[in-house]
Amino acid sequence: QKEVEQNSGPLSVPEGAIASLNCTYSDRGSQSFFWYRQYSGKSPELIMSIYSNGDKEDGRFTAQLNKASQYVSLLIRDSQPSDSATYLCAVILDSGGGADGLTFGKGTHLIIQP
Amino acid sequence: DTEVTQTPKHLVMGMTNKKSLKCEQHMGHRAMYWYKQKAKKPPELMFVYSYEKLSINESVPSRFSPECPNSSLLNLHLHALQPEDSALYLCASSQKGWGQGGQPQHFGDGTRLSIL
Repeated sequence: QKEVEQNSGPLSVPEGAIASLNCTYSDRGSQSFFWYRQYSGKSPELIMSIYSNGDKEDGRFTAQLNKASQYVSLLIRDSQPSDSATYLCAVILDSGGGADGLTFGKGTHLIIQP
Repeated sequence: DTEVTQTPKHLVMGMTNKKSLKCEQHMGHRAMYWYKQKAKKPPELMFVYSYEKLSINESVPSRFSPECPNSSLLNLHLHALQPEDSALYLCASSQKGWGQGGQPQHFGDGTRLSIL
């Protein structure tokens, strides 16, 4: 059973602060990890992908992966009101052949307070 | 604007109707996906096509019938749906193919389906 766990929030962060979003996964065979942002009524938008242990930075976003702890996180620096959205953690179990679907966490609702 | 195009954006249909949802991508991706998303829930995988062949069916009822006519197109044929099938239907594509790692999936804007 593949499970991805996130705190549903809401997580309220002041504008300009760092927002920290966390995710744990149950399947040790998971190889690919993604963060998607979803605004209300819209489709998920890819924010970050990470495949190996450590940090990966892209602009104001940093993804962190720790496979030993089965933990992945997303940091958003200098949070802006436009960052207010639901952030979905998604995992792929790489079976080594064929395409695999994403297993999503329930999402964390982030609110950036002006 | 997304590079995965879904039509129609909205669809209202009765339980006896037959309709189709369409998805198109021109990124050269060889894997395409259908997801279903209910309100305030995460997307749930329905079907996966890899190189135009159905590779995953997540025990979806037969009233949903997927079709992949070519590498750029993905259809979802609907027949005799139930009110609980009302949801946002999302199409996605990725570079994932046989023997490759799990590449990011890019979503279309979705079709919001309402069953009367």
